[in-house]
Amino acid sequence: GNSVTQMEGPVTLSEEAFLTINCTYTATGYPSLFWYVQYPGEGLQLLLKATKADDKGSNKGFEATYRKETTSFHLEKGSVQVSDSAVYFCALDSGAGSYQLTFGKGTKLSVIP
Amino acid sequence: NAGVTQTPKFRVLKTGQSMTLLCAQDMNHEYMYWYRQDPGMGLRLIHYSVGEGTTAKGEVPDGYNVSRLKKQNFLLGLESAAPSQTSVYFCASSIGIGQGNEKLFFGSGTQLSVL
Repeated sequence: GNSVTQMEGPVTLSEEAFLTINCTYTATGYPSLFWYVQYPGEGLQLLLKATKADDKGSNKGFEATYRKETTSFHLEKGSVQVSDSAVYFCALDSGAGSYQLTFGKGTKLSVIP
Repeated sequence: NAGVTQTPKFRVLKTGQSMTLLCAQDMNHEYMYWYRQDPGMGLRLIHYSVGEGTTAKGEVPDGYNVSRLKKQNFLLGLESAAPSQTSVYFCASSIGIGQGNEKLFFGSGTQLSVL
């Protein structure tokens, strides 16, 4: 079956530090990959996505590249801000015939001034 | 734009009581979902619906029932609440999954405590 594994949190960084949150996946076929973000007290919202190998998704300074050879989709940001403090979820959609996304367990990021 | 609206936002129940959580979306989405979120467990799918009048079980369906009588509404019921159902519940909707429209729109959640 499909699965998504994220690095354990919580992650605490100082403002302007570099961020990496690791995500690896197991899936049949050619899944689409996503990062969702959950700010305190809110529901999840889509941050970025990539639909095929070597695609790079980007949004709000965050980037992730779909690496089929390593089955990975690591999230990166060059300089984090306090406002980036949130829980980040990696997810996949296995494609035609699927009806649901498979989510990782989430990684909590705290950015301190 | 309302998007996905969940009611209530907070609820406290006693063991054995029943309740219904309401999810409404105004985006004409076919697919709707109920998730629960627990510390260290991430999001777990309870039930989902791929269209009006249809429902299906997700990963953790026991103790819950759902109904999708109208396309815009997806109801989650707890017939006899248990402390293990203390959680934050999220509703989500989508145009479709597996069809190139994978974006999920989430509600803001319902915090449920069962004493």
